[in-house]
Amino acid sequence: DTGVSQNPRHKITKRGQNVTFRCDPISEHNRLYWYRQTLGQGPEFLTYFQNEAQLEKSRLLSDRFSAERPKGSFSTLEIQRTEQGDSAMYLCASSLGEGYTFGSGTRLTVV
Amino acid sequence: GQNIDQPTEMTATEGAIVQINCTYQTSGFNGLFWYQQHAGEAPTFLSYNVLDGLEEKGRFSSFLSRSKGYSYLLLKELQMKDSASYLCAVRVEGGFKTIFGAGTRLFVKA
Repeated sequence: DTGVSQNPRHKITKRGQNVTFRCDPISEHNRLYWYRQTLGQGPEFLTYFQNEAQLEKSRLLSDRFSAERPKGSFSTLEIQRTEQGDSAMYLCASSLGEGYTFGSGTRLTVV
Repeated sequence: GQNIDQPTEMTATEGAIVQINCTYQTSGFNGLFWYQQHAGEAPTFLSYNVLDGLEEKGRFSSFLSRSKGYSYLLLKELQMKDSASYLCAVRVEGGFKTIFGAGTRLFVKA
């Protein structure tokens, strides 16, 4: 088991473009979470899945954000019509018990 | 609403002891976590408290008082590699959603 894997590590995109990030959790973990983190702040909750079911989505998330976890394995986070304010580190985490195991994140820069 | 407060920065000396405080006001409580995050890296899990009292794990200990909405992380025998941000996080009631504070940046000096 190599931990939580996120791809790509870095993404630079032009404003208005769509981007998609992928997260591969630890295989036996049934819960998967997406967070966003900006410099000097703690991770901000976006959404989480238990197996393939999306159980909660932050009210801060606009309709431009969508996440999926087909078959309860890997997950994707898509941002449509990106804005400069979307620039951040997008962190994926998975858990089976109490603590999270985070991936290394995808750093998104919108220019 | 959800509110987690912790100091923005702290400085301590190598070999010393430091205590990082955290107070929280959340919609329900189902456990408190501490994570360590080095600059440019992902957070890593340090400790979990769900009942009142002290949990010790090597050089790190974490304390919880649910009635006061208060926790602290105690780091002993500080090492230079302990320079990092320390994130206090609360799992809110009703699921597995966890809310994070902004973190405390700890600088360990020689």
